[in-house]
Amino acid sequence: GAVVSQHPSWVICKSGTSVKIECRSLDFQATTMFWYRQFPKQSLMLMATSNEGSKATYEQGVEKDKFLINHASLTLSTLTVTSAHPEDSSFYICSAIPGGVSNQPQHFGDGTRLSIL
Amino acid sequence: AQRVTQPEKLLSVFKGAPVELKCNYSYSGSPELFWYVQYSRQRLQLLLRHISRESIKGFTADLNKGETSFHLKKPFAQEEDSAMYYCALLGGGGGNKLTFGTGTQLKVEL
Repeated sequence: GAVVSQHPSWVICKSGTSVKIECRSLDFQATTMFWYRQFPKQSLMLMATSNEGSKATYEQGVEKDKFLINHASLTLSTLTVTSAHPEDSSFYICSAIPGGVSNQPQHFGDGTRLSIL
Repeated sequence: AQRVTQPEKLLSVFKGAPVELKCNYSYSGSPELFWYVQYSRQRLQLLLRHISRESIKGFTADLNKGETSFHLKKPFAQEEDSAMYYCALLGGGGGNKLTFGTGTQLKVEL
């Protein structure tokens, strides 16, 4: 149980385009989802906390207008990288907490590798 | 500010040897700590958490508040233990936010 699915797993696109990444909780509802970014051989850096039905909470230094997050349902959160540039190339990982219950462990997706040419 | 430090990027041990992956943290409140593991080509998954005080796949970790450490240990390494291990701290303003260490790559050699 508690499976989190991310789509796509890999995307390559031209500079200037926008890319949408989906994060779905397949067998549970998640009022809270998280978006992380991971550079090669580095740790996961929390970008934002996605809350169902409300605005996302962004970490310091993360551009809200650059990384648009929508959490429209209890099983889906999306991250849109707007006007992507090569420096946005990275590995993006989402996670979700079943029911959003405090202190429950996060369940992670497989990640999405984004490459901007 | 909270911080998690994993001093070793790579730890190489022989099969059957003891393993200790180090994790130190910095946090002003009462921490909750986790170890996550990522096997090759797989997603990050929870290995264990300190409040459970359980042993998973032979691994244990004890929270030492005096030394602000949460080292991961296993008495006898197995080949299938080769993976990336991340120590993580839950805290900081609520909301279930995790702060991750930089990770340690464990390589178990035959």
